[in-house]
Amino acid sequence: GENVEQHPSTLSVQEGDSAVIKCTYSDSASNYFPWYKQELGKRPQLIIDIRSNVGEKKDQRIAVTLNKTAKHFSLHITETQPEDSAVYFCAGTAPRDGNNRLAFGKGNQVVVIP
Amino acid sequence: EAGVAQSPRYKIIEKRQSVAFWCNPISGHATLYWYQQILGQGPKLLIQFQNNGVVDDSQLPKDRFSAERLKGVDSTLKIQPAKLEDSAVYLCASSFVSDSTGELFFGEGSRLTVL
Repeated sequence: GENVEQHPSTLSVQEGDSAVIKCTYSDSASNYFPWYKQELGKRPQLIIDIRSNVGEKKDQRIAVTLNKTAKHFSLHITETQPEDSAVYFCAGTAPRDGNNRLAFGKGNQVVVIP
Repeated sequence: EAGVAQSPRYKIIEKRQSVAFWCNPISGHATLYWYQQILGQGPKLLIQFQNNGVVDDSQLPKDRFSAERLKGVDSTLKIQPAKLEDSAVYLCASSFVSDSTGELFFGEGSRLTVL
């Protein structure tokens, strides 16, 4: 099955700087890679996703890049703001027993220092 | 549009007791998921329903956990008997897409503390 790992576990950045979180996955058949943001005490919410037939996707200050050869994908946040402080989970969907299963990483804590 | 509703939000029980959580997904979402999120970790899939059928329950500890979605809408997750290691937030999510390649809409979660 899919195994997704995230690095670094905690990332502190100055407001206005960029933040990059990298995720690696194990199953080369994985075809869908979302990123979820979870603020303290709140529900996870999808912020961006990418499919295996695309190398990069951007939405305002957020972008995701995918390297299928190296089996990793990264979340890029530019011009960070205090409201970007949260835990970010990457995930990957891979076929398993005729179904697709979405497996989450352990999360990255991002702290934006004002 | 109403979101995914879960109850109760918090529950404290002693080990070996039982507990049940309820979830009402977004209207029209055929796919429903139960995830377990232990503090400091990512959500772990327990069970996935497509309408009222089970798609994936391979990670559900079936000796103590059970879940049902009888009419293809609401779902309940039960733990009996609870163990200390079951302390976690139980997240329900629903999706319009059936193959886990679309957005999951999560509820606020039910936080379980087992003493």
